[in-house]
Amino acid sequence: QVTLKESGPVLVKPTETLTLTCSVSGFSLSNAALGVSWIRQPPGKALEWLAHIFSNDEKSYNTSLRRRVTVSKDTSKRQVVLTLTNMDPVDTATYFCVRMWQPDVTWYFDHWGRGTLVTVSS
Amino acid sequence: SYEMTQPPSVSVSPGQTATITCSGDKLGHKYLSWFQQKPGQSPVLVIFQDARRPSGIPERFSASNSGNTATLTITGTEAMDEADYYCQAWDTSTAIFGGGTRLTVL
Repeated sequence: QVTLKESGPVLVKPTETLTLTCSVSGFSLSNAALGVSWIRQPPGKALEWLAHIFSNDEKSYNTSLRRRVTVSKDTSKRQVVLTLTNMDPVDTATYFCVRMWQPDVTWYFDHWGRGTLVTVSS
Repeated sequence: SYEMTQPPSVSVSPGQTATITCSGDKLGHKYLSWFQQKPGQSPVLVIFQDARRPSGIPERFSASNSGNTATLTITGTEAMDEADYYCQAWDTSTAIFGGGTRLTVL
């Protein structure tokens, strides 16, 4: 059974750095047909893709957040880590960890974690 | 940057057909996914590669993608289909989501 579980602080102060960990099970982060993305959703708003990382450690970032966001993984620990610097109240959102799957020519978001709500407030 | 537009809301009566659109420049040249999100829950993939259904997704969900518009169709809509629906595509290595459509089953 594929599961992804996000963990990290529920409250951060403005200008602080957010670090979230995604712990996965049921699949390997070394599988070339799989990857992991971070996607967030402000309350009542649409989904926004932040970043992804593949088995070969290739990464891609949302250009609007590129200077602030970093993604990394520890394959042996089965974890993917997201860091977002200089947090602002507009970054208040539910952050989802999502498995990416490539059965053919492109990637699909096939399994989602439950998400973790992060509030940015002083 | 690439953008996709969805109507904010769509209403349908139970048993009728619901149609949700997603528009973008030459969208038909991209592979599209659709997600269903119910209140307080994580999104669920209901369509991938324009028109394929993952296992476990009811046959009443179908989709197409051509030209500048993709369409998600729910035939024989049920009350349980009431949710937000998002289209998603890739623009080079960036994932893009539509703004979402709230489907209300009246």
